[in-house]
Amino acid sequence: NAGVTQTPKFQVLKTGQSMTLQCAQDMNHNSMYWYRQDPGMGLRLIYYSASEGTTDKGEVPNGYNVSRLNKREFSLRLESAAPSQTSVYFCASYQAGSTDTQYFGPGTRLTVL
Amino acid sequence: RKEVEQDPGPFNVPEGATVAFNCTYSNSASQSFFWYRQDCRKEPKLLMSVYSSGNEDGRFTAQLNRASQYISLLIRDSKLSDSATYLCVVNPNNAGNMLTFGGGTRLMVKP
Repeated sequence: NAGVTQTPKFQVLKTGQSMTLQCAQDMNHNSMYWYRQDPGMGLRLIYYSASEGTTDKGEVPNGYNVSRLNKREFSLRLESAAPSQTSVYFCASYQAGSTDTQYFGPGTRLTVL
Repeated sequence: RKEVEQDPGPFNVPEGATVAFNCTYSNSASQSFFWYRQDCRKEPKLLMSVYSSGNEDGRFTAQLNRASQYISLLIRDSKLSDSATYLCVVNPNNAGNMLTFGGGTRLMVKP
């Protein structure tokens, strides 16, 4: 199993450009999450999807949209990138069970110029 | 007040030392607790869950004090490979199973 995968690994955008970050999991988990991590700020939740067909805002949703395409895939879209969105983005998935916690993808490093 | 607070460090220790990290959480209704490890420029990975009775995994011991709302991680016989940032993570048992992360404690083990 690949676990949680993310593409791309790195991306540089100019202010105002748009892009979609892709995330997929092969663990048959119901819940998926998007976080951003900035120096000194820790991980902050952008959006989450408790199950296929549902999405909800997290702590810092402004400037982002998400799509839960199916049970496996959860994408994050930046419609008009801003320098404040320069960050590392992590996708995670969760299923209640023995460890009862989230598993993370390798991250996408995004720079907005 | 942050929901999960940790000393950011860095903790600089020599190989073989014992080091302990503490973390406090504000939501007394929290049900699940974890320590994650994050290497530089990598994703967080689950190190261990923290149980009410305390638990040990090799050189690592985690403890929970619900009355004082703090969690600890003890690392014995530190190795160079233990150098990383350790994240204290709490599941407040909300409907979306959203985790609350501390800012992390950085550990640097020196030869």
